[in-house]
Amino acid sequence: QKEVEQNSGPLSVPEGAIASLNCTYSDRGSQSFFWYRQYSGKSPELIMFIYSNGDKEDGRFTAQLNKASQYVSLLIRDSQPSDSATYLCAVDLGGSYIPTFGRGTSLIVHP
Amino acid sequence: DAGVTQSPTHLIKTRGQQVTLRCSPKSGHDTVSWYQQALGQGPQFIFQYYEEEERQRGNFPDRFSGHQFPNYSSELNVNALLLGDSALYLCASSLGGGVRAKNIQYFGAGTRLSVL
Repeated sequence: QKEVEQNSGPLSVPEGAIASLNCTYSDRGSQSFFWYRQYSGKSPELIMFIYSNGDKEDGRFTAQLNKASQYVSLLIRDSQPSDSATYLCAVDLGGSYIPTFGRGTSLIVHP
Repeated sequence: DAGVTQSPTHLIKTRGQQVTLRCSPKSGHDTVSWYQQALGQGPQFIFQYYEEEERQRGNFPDRFSGHQFPNYSSELNVNALLLGDSALYLCASSLGGGVRAKNIQYFGAGTRLSVL
């Protein structure tokens, strides 16, 4: 079955630390990978998208993609309490251009 | 630049009733997708509309139907509501009918549906 897997957490990190969020996916042919942030009671907000192997950086956020191992990661440097949210990984699976979402990882950044 | 707008924000219905949710895509976008998000879960794909047609559908029963209008706005209809239909319903817009590897979706604020 085609799936996107995330550890539901919560992942707790101190303010200023690096938060590392991981996502694995089942379809080796997937081409599009997305990270969304969702605050409690709000809708998902796109943070990063990545299509090629390697790293993509945007401010404090870095997405890392390894297609051979079928995982994509999100690193958040200098974590702030305002980063506390659920982070959703989305991947296009099985030849579909519709991204499939994982259940999300809850991140808590404590002062 | 107007983002994705959804209405209403909250809705309370009873079992067996019917509901219609509405969505206007981000300016310049022509494709609308609908998702259901239960508490503690990721969004689950319901269907996508492009050029006023349903292009792809997720694993949802026929009680869930939709429509896209010439101005690209969309409606989601759910008939014979069940308690399990209580969820956050999200609309996402994108461009070009979802060209593979470029289907960046932007979400609206959602409609929270409670079925009693």
